[in-house]
Amino acid sequence: DVKVTQSSRYLVKRTGEKVFLECVQDMDHENMFWYRQDPGLGLRLIYFSYDVKMKEKGDIPEGYSVSREKKERFSLILESASTNQTSMYLCASSPPRAHLYFGPGTRLLVL
Amino acid sequence: GEDVEQSLFLSVREGDSSVINCTYTDSSSTYLYWYKQEPGAGLQLLTYIFSNMDMKQDQRLTVLLNKKDKHLSLRIADTQTGDSAIYFCAESPNTGTASKLTFGTGTRLQVTL
Repeated sequence: DVKVTQSSRYLVKRTGEKVFLECVQDMDHENMFWYRQDPGLGLRLIYFSYDVKMKEKGDIPEGYSVSREKKERFSLILESASTNQTSMYLCASSPPRAHLYFGPGTRLLVL
Repeated sequence: GEDVEQSLFLSVREGDSSVINCTYTDSSSTYLYWYKQEPGAGLQLLTYIFSNMDMKQDQRLTVLLNKKDKHLSLRIADTQTGDSAIYFCAESPNTGTASKLTFGTGTRLQVTL
């Protein structure tokens, strides 16, 4: 069965902390994505990666960075967390030109 | 850039049909998708339609595509309380190798008894 897992379901951090969100997929997919979901705004793409060590900015990359050292793992990094980064973060993976498989999400609260 | 719009909320009675609508702007879209998000969970693919089709039926689900008006709809027949969720439409552009979907804002479907 297809599986995308995220390291935490809920996370509480303080303003200014460095935050790591981890995502792992077991389907050998080339593409991996990080979205954030906010009420009334839907899903917005932060970064995506189409291969190991490759990354491209999405629509809202400011304040975030990513790392993909292995094919199965895609990390989202908040260099210095701010309260406006409180959100639900969704990781997804896909083969080329196919639909996305999503993880369960990480709900992040920045105080 | 691409834009996908949906109404935010829909309430229906159990047993009635639900129709969730979506408009998009990218005329080069190849696939259009419907995803379902249950409370506290990630998104699951519900169904999809290729852009050269105008209708697709899958059990209680019917997808209609009007390419001329760039309008997509999802009809759920005999709506049940288990259908209560947020429904997202998404389009897939016909460029590149990454499946870089553009999502709508999501429609929250509430099913009442």
